[in-house]
Amino acid sequence: GAGVSQSPSNKVTEKGKDVELRCDPISGHTALYWYRQSLGQGLEFLIYFQGNSAPDKSGLPSDRFSAERTGGSVSTLTIQRTQQEDSAVYLCASSPDPGAQETQYFGPGTRLLVL
Amino acid sequence: SQQGEEDPQALSIQEGENATMNCSYKTSINNLQWYRQNSGRGLVHLILIRSNEREKHSGRLRVTLDTSKKSSSLLITASRAADTASYFCATDKKGSNYKLTFGKGTLLTVNP
Repeated sequence: GAGVSQSPSNKVTEKGKDVELRCDPISGHTALYWYRQSLGQGLEFLIYFQGNSAPDKSGLPSDRFSAERTGGSVSTLTIQRTQQEDSAVYLCASSPDPGAQETQYFGPGTRLLVL
Repeated sequence: SQQGEEDPQALSIQEGENATMNCSYKTSINNLQWYRQNSGRGLVHLILIRSNEREKHSGRLRVTLDTSKKSSSLLITASRAADTASYFCATDKKGSNYKLTFGKGTLLTVNP
């Protein structure tokens, strides 16, 4: 079956511009997660959705970052007024139910480069 | 600080040899998972070990967990060139069972 998909695969933008990153989770998965991975680093948790609500936004690095999920499916991560330090790979994952006892299935990521 | 930290940071071995990677963490956990990442892209789940388990096997993978030392190891036996990748451990904290915290990973290179 189809896995988690993300678009675009790569995004190059200029400092100060807004970007939107999209995640399509596996059908039927209620939990959705966004992570960020900077060069040579591990994954940094950003936000978690259960259905359409986001019980935990604690990982969002600043108020320039926001995310929404509609219809319990697709999620969009928006970064406003991008900065060079936002350059990273943004990974989305989904799982059937919330809980780390569930395997998280990752998408291929969006590689963001802010010039 | 990182909840999970892997060592070594990089490991280079010959095909057929075994590879051992270690992970240490700081707080009590529910589970520990190992993931693999090729070329900085999506992660693939390898194995999950629960806090009440001590050892788990999956194919050529063997994972151990020592909760008293807050550490885990991943052993890949009879390595292949295709095993070349970065390997991450991920832990959750008790009371926060959805949020995984990843270490910086071990870059494994298997030379043919």
